[in-house]
Amino acid sequence: SQQGEEDPQALSIQEGENATMNCSYKTSINNLQWYRQNSGRGLVHLILIRSNEREKHSGRLRVTLDTSKKSSSLLITASRAADTASYFCATGRDDKIIFGKGTRLHILP
Amino acid sequence: KAGVTQTPRYLIKTRGQQVTLSCSPISGHRSVSWYQQTPGQGLQFLFEYFSETQRNKGNFPGRFSGRQFSNSRSEMNVSTLELGDSALYLCASRGTGGHLSGAWYFGPGTRLTVT
Repeated sequence: SQQGEEDPQALSIQEGENATMNCSYKTSINNLQWYRQNSGRGLVHLILIRSNEREKHSGRLRVTLDTSKKSSSLLITASRAADTASYFCATGRDDKIIFGKGTRLHILP
Repeated sequence: KAGVTQTPRYLIKTRGQQVTLSCSPISGHRSVSWYQQTPGQGLQFLFEYFSETQRNKGNFPGRFSGRQFSNSRSEMNVSTLELGDSALYLCASRGTGGHLSGAWYFGPGTRLTVT
């Protein structure tokens, strides 16, 4: 069964706007990771946040983790056309990571 | 460093046949995992190997099997193919920074179509 559930399932925004997607999970985790997938291709690792961290930044990406609410959010600032992709959260526990079904992000010109 | 490579990239098979997919991890990576991706089920974990040993297995029937060689290359095999096995099969590798650390690096996938 899926561990992480992303919300929303799909998101369309204008280029230059910020995009926020959320991930909720059910059991305890060691870490949470976000990945990007361009249409029909392999996944690209974006950022990993450990269970004892609350916030992490990488370039235009900002990830937060709230273990008490079992949720995480990914913020992409100043979106670009190249950000159009599916974004997956993956929860890590005991050497296994389990993916959610993803958020499809579409950046409009 | 070269990335994770998967062969073949595309494959068309007939129901009842078997198929073997290959994955070469990033040099130095000893962990390899496999995922099946379909529009309906999303990314489903198949199995994970470390130093030739299967460490984790997902909820797939016994028709799905895998192995890892001493050079960390991995293969997965699907026997008696069914239409529902049509999917993108993704392989990923990870370094040996400890089980709590490290991102997985994915290959481009093998697109399997069963007719």
